[in-house]
Amino acid sequence: EIVLTQSPATLSLSPGERATLSCRASQSVSSYLAWYQQKPGQAPRLLIYDASNRATGIPARFSGSGSGTDFTLTISSLEPEDFAVYYCQQSRNWPPLTFGGGTKVEIK
Amino acid sequence: EVQLLESGGDLVQPGGSLRLSCSASGFIFSSYAMSWVRQAPGKGLEWVTAISGSGDYTYYADSVKGRFTISRDNSKNTLYLQMNSLRVEDTAVYYCASRFRYSSGWFFDYWGQGTLVTVSS
Repeated sequence: EIVLTQSPATLSLSPGERATLSCRASQSVSSYLAWYQQKPGQAPRLLIYDASNRATGIPARFSGSGSGTDFTLTISSLEPEDFAVYYCQQSRNWPPLTFGGGTKVEIK
Repeated sequence: EVQLLESGGDLVQPGGSLRLSCSASGFIFSSYAMSWVRQAPGKGLEWVTAISGSGDYTYYADSVKGRFTISRDNSKNTLYLQMNSLRVEDTAVYYCASRFRYSSGWFFDYWGQGTLVTVSS
């Protein structure tokens, strides 16, 4: 099973700041990695697929990079609506599909 | 507009059974693989099971294999999750999700609102 480790667990930032979230895989997942955003009481929303492609309707301030075992989600300038929990997910080697433990981006 | 609507969540005793349903609309249901993903209270996301568009292929997490069964009725645009021998640790919000069509990877672009399953005596 591929384990995804996200860091940090919590990121405290102010609106307008840059957010950098990390996801590390226990073995290579090539580019089979996605990022999701989840707000309280809501279902997850797909942000990034194939490591670096934005899903439909996702603002350009969200970008993904990386391949193999190390991946980054960057939010270039945080908007108030971006404070949420972010999860990475791999589908290179499954079952099982696996998610990281999440990074909470909170208002400082 | 794509919509996924789960139902069937309830309070059930350990060892009991429950069937969840996910009604789909706004897309050609039979063309898309589907999954169930769960989230325990205050915890992260956990993939549970997946099924191909035709229903011919199914996949399970080890934690539910032999206890849960995923199925679909394409004539009714409905996905199901039959859960038997339920355990306290199965307590979670269960989401149905459709596979994202623009990648060879298994990612999920449409999600339901979730249905809560509580396993407790």
